[in-house]
Amino acid sequence: KAGVTQTPRYLIKTRGQQVTLSCSPISGHRSVSWYQQTPGQGLQFLFEYFSETQRNKGNFPGRFSGRQFSNSRSEMNVSTLELGDSALYLCASREGGANVLTFGAGSRLTVL
Amino acid sequence: KNEVEQSPQNLTAQEGEFITINCSYSVGISALHWLQQHPGGGIVSLFMLSSGKKKHGRLIATINIQEKHSSLHITASHPRDSAVYICAVTSGTYKYIFGTGTRLKVLA
Repeated sequence: KAGVTQTPRYLIKTRGQQVTLSCSPISGHRSVSWYQQTPGQGLQFLFEYFSETQRNKGNFPGRFSGRQFSNSRSEMNVSTLELGDSALYLCASREGGANVLTFGAGSRLTVL
Repeated sequence: KNEVEQSPQNLTAQEGEFITINCSYSVGISALHWLQQHPGGGIVSLFMLSSGKKKHGRLIATINIQEKHSSLHITASHPRDSAVYICAVTSGTYKYIFGTGTRLKVLA
């Protein structure tokens, strides 16, 4: 069974640009959640999607958005990038009723 | 004060030692999770607990709901156990709150 796939793995952007990250969950998993990890703040929850609906959201500004498609693949978008958005962005998937997460390898974003 | 606190922040042990990492939380939870993160970023879920104790190989996780406290134990530690161990809790809304992690280094 393929794991959670995140693309791209690494990317460099400049301030003011926008970025879109992609996450393909494990087949059959309907929930996808996104997390930001920085050395200063650690892991922080961004949002979770289930069956194309955002089910929960963390404390991030509106520049951070996401969506989920009918095949459960998810994208997250960050607009008007700031230096502080440099981080490892992780997504995780899980089956609908279970709480155990399976994480992807992450997308490392550097904002210059 | 963080809602999920871990201790210690850093831990160095000799191979073979018994290791304990602690997690305390201040919110109501539906479950507590222990995660392992190796250099490079990949995160693996080790345990999900809502009560009692779970064991997997050399790893044991316990939780005391009344005291809002959990421990992760590693028996007969090995250099390959070197990683960051993260405690996280989930509420009924499936929102995850993470501890800051414990960086473990096991020396051969």
